[in-house]
Amino acid sequence: DAGVIQSPRHEVTEMGQEVTLRCKPISGHNSLFWYRQTMMRGLELLIYFNNNVPIDDSGMPEDRFSAKMPNASFSTLKIQPSEPRDSAVYFCASSLTDSNQPQHFGDGTRLSIL
Amino acid sequence: QKEVEQDPGPLSVPEGAIVSLNCTYSNSAFQYFMWYRQYSRKGPELLMYTYSSGNKEDGRFTAQVDKSSKYISLFIRDSQPSDSATYLCASALGGGATNKLIFGTGTLLAVQP
Repeated sequence: DAGVIQSPRHEVTEMGQEVTLRCKPISGHNSLFWYRQTMMRGLELLIYFNNNVPIDDSGMPEDRFSAKMPNASFSTLKIQPSEPRDSAVYFCASSLTDSNQPQHFGDGTRLSIL
Repeated sequence: QKEVEQDPGPLSVPEGAIVSLNCTYSNSAFQYFMWYRQYSRKGPELLMYTYSSGNKEDGRFTAQVDKSSKYISLFIRDSQPSDSATYLCASALGGGATNKLIFGTGTLLAVQP
């Protein structure tokens, strides 16, 4: 079975540019999570969706960050405008809501803002 | 203070050693505890999942939770070079997939052949 697929794997861009990260969850999973990982703060939840609806976005750091899930098989995390402090690895994870099944993570997008 | 604290290491051990990885947490309402393994440039993958206090064993891995001291441990027996990775502990209030996981910052383990 295909796991969670994220693209791009690496992104290098200049400060002020718009960045869009993409995620395809595991087929049949109805919860989707976006995380950010840094050396200093570890893995932090940014937002999660249940059945394509945002449930908790309290971890989104600023209005520059936005996330959408237009359908069950696709989600985006957008940063506009990007800043150097946004440099991190961004992970997407998916799971089945109504069970104790774990969250399955993608391999992340390594983002560098110059 | 972070809700889940973890020594970042690095921890270096010889092949075959018993490894002990530990976390502490501050929220006494946490009921679910997990250990994830993360290889370099990969996403975290679930190793162990436990509810409340007690031990859980899976092959060479044993997870232990002591709620009275808010202490979480992962033991690896007969460690192998392939166990070299970052180990993340996580806690949650509930067990459903939508319960927010609070992660430690991870401990980097290196098993030397």
